[in-house]
Amino acid sequence: LAKITQPISMDSYEGQEVNITCSHNNIATNDYITWYQQFPSQGPRFIIQGYKTKVTNEVASLFIPADRKSSTLSLPRVSLSDTAVYYCLVGGVSGGSYIPTFGRGTSLIVHP
Amino acid sequence: EAGVTQSPTHLIKTRGQQATLRCSPISGHTSVYWYQQALGLGLQFLLWYDEGEERNRGNFPPRFSGRQFPNYSSELNVNALELEDSALYLCASFRINEKLFFGSGTQLSVL
Repeated sequence: LAKITQPISMDSYEGQEVNITCSHNNIATNDYITWYQQFPSQGPRFIIQGYKTKVTNEVASLFIPADRKSSTLSLPRVSLSDTAVYYCLVGGVSGGSYIPTFGRGTSLIVHP
Repeated sequence: EAGVTQSPTHLIKTRGQQATLRCSPISGHTSVYWYQQALGLGLQFLLWYDEGEERNRGNFPPRFSGRQFPNYSSELNVNALELEDSALYLCASFRINEKLFFGSGTQLSVL
């Protein structure tokens, strides 16, 4: 299973771009990288998923270097409502099994 | 399409009692994962069910158990409740080539 490391907390201000990096040195060939957002007392909500290079959707971008040992979630122009915990998840289907591994989460606080 | 549903939303028990938590996955999803999230902590993997079978369990004592029914819904049972079992219990459903979808969780309080 991949060992995942991400910063415990980050602070930003409204309108800034936020980049959260996740380290996953022993990522497996079949593993995808997925990011989730969680608000207090709610279930995690899917943000973005990627395998390599760059993926962009309407809310975020995900940058994955060629060696795939790290990934960076980029949130453009954050607002107060982006204050949440962000989890990096690494996992893939292998032999019919899917055992995803979560990082410990990064608590992002966006200030006015 | 309905998402992952969990019940009850909140559950209050006393030490030594048993708790039963329920989860209905997204239609077509055969895998259900259970996670425990204590206050201020990350997601700790509890159990994984697929096609009615327990496929894997995390580092939790045997008093944490569960099952998956033929319609792929699942129950998590916690026996002999302890104060430290107070947490948000999250269920997620999965189908190959898709992503994990989470329910809103059951907040279990042990008094």
